[in-house]
Amino acid sequence: NAGVMQNPRHLVRRRGQEARLRCSPMKGHSHVYWYRQLPEEGLKFMVYLQKENIIDESGMPKERFSAEFPKEGPSILRIQQVVRGDSAAYFCASSPSVFSGTQYFGPGTRLLVL
Amino acid sequence: GESVGLHLPTLSVQEGDNSIINCAYSNSASDYFIWYKQESGKGPQFIIDIRSNMDKRQGQRVTVLLNKTVKHLSLQIAATQPGDSAVYFCAENREGNKLVFGAGTILRVKS
Repeated sequence: NAGVMQNPRHLVRRRGQEARLRCSPMKGHSHVYWYRQLPEEGLKFMVYLQKENIIDESGMPKERFSAEFPKEGPSILRIQQVVRGDSAAYFCASSPSVFSGTQYFGPGTRLLVL
Repeated sequence: GESVGLHLPTLSVQEGDNSIINCAYSNSASDYFIWYKQESGKGPQFIIDIRSNMDKRQGQRVTVLLNKTVKHLSLQIAATQPGDSAVYFCAENREGNKLVFGAGTILRVKS
């Protein structure tokens, strides 16, 4: 049973470009979460989505960041007009239901903004 | 604000010894906690979890203890092996399935 998949694993962007990060949850999981991790820090919650719905985006910056989880296909975290401060590891997690608190994480996407 | 935090940023143990990693939390309403292991360049890996109606839970070589009175939990690893070297995070599941992570403890196993 494949785990959570993320791509790309590494992404390099210049300031002002757009970054698109993809996440495919574990089979049978309909809940997706995005977290950001700065070097030598813990993960910080960004957004929680179900299919076609954003449930909680309280951790998302107000501007430039957006997330979606369409009916078909992976969840996408989109960062517009990236700045150097966006450089971080972005992790996606999934869970089978809202009643299961356990979240299983993907390998992450390392974003570097030059 | 409320947070989950760790006492020791780095823990060095001899191979074969037992390891204890501690974590304090401040939200007394929290009812579910998870320990994750993160190796360099990888995502967090689920180790063990515990709900607030329990004081102790055991897995394979790992035990989690929860003390609600002082809002403290710990992860015990028996017979620590070199493969246990990693960063360990405790995480608190807040309302709405939002995980709040501590800063992490680095575990180094000396052979």
